Amino acid sequence: GQSLEQPSEVTAVEGAIVQINCTYQTSGFYGLSWYQQHDGGAPTFLSYNALDGLEETGRFSSFLSRSDSYGYLLLQELQMKDSASYFCAVNGAAGNKLTFGGGTRVLVKP
Amino acid sequence: GAVVSQHPSRVICKSGTSVKIECRSLDFQATTMFWYRQFPKQSLMLMATSNEGSKATYEQGVEKDKFLINHASLTLSTLTVTSAHPEDSSFYICSARDTSRLAKNIQYFGAGTRLSVL
Repeated sequence: GQSLEQPSEVTAVEGAIVQINCTYQTSGFYGLSWYQQHDGGAPTFLSYNALDGLEETGRFSSFLSRSDSYGYLLLQELQMKDSASYFCAVNGAAGNKLTFGGGTRVLVKP
Repeated sequence: GAVVSQHPSRVICKSGTSVKIECRSLDFQATTMFWYRQFPKQSLMLMATSNEGSKATYEQGVEKDKFLINHASLTLSTLTVTSAHPEDSSFYICSARDTSRLAKNIQYFGAGTRLSVL
């Protein structure tokens, strides 16, 4: 089976930095993806790591350590519009299905 | 990024009726599409993998006779909720991979369909 663990909720102020950790246990692994979802909306792709290391995309960065089965999403210079749920998801071995973590609800306060 | 269109965005139906949801890849071909279900404040649960030209692969516990999937072309997959009941009310989301891109494992999502069964 596959399981992913991430914190359920994080609160921070505008301009701050937030790190969302994700640990996973999977039977197969091709990569770790991160998605943002605003209430009532569709998941939007943020970042993808197939190899160890840091991927930087603007204010958002994602890190992966395959040996530790661990990754994180770093949100910098937080803005009010970043209030949303963030999901980590593993691409497993079978047909590139995505298995999602439970999601982390980020609340940005003024 | 690649664009996936999902229609309708919202549907309200009576118990016992069937509802069809369409998922289209607008600027790429998708041999594989995925259907998810999401309850409020919960994660996305994969229901099935839709394969162009062949039968869908359903996840454990998903009734294939209730959730009919058809993937007749490289740009269109449909999910039909048959004989819908109030417990089928949920947010249904499709996704597709653009295998022509370098990052083949990225999935792009439709806007979702909120189904309410009365």
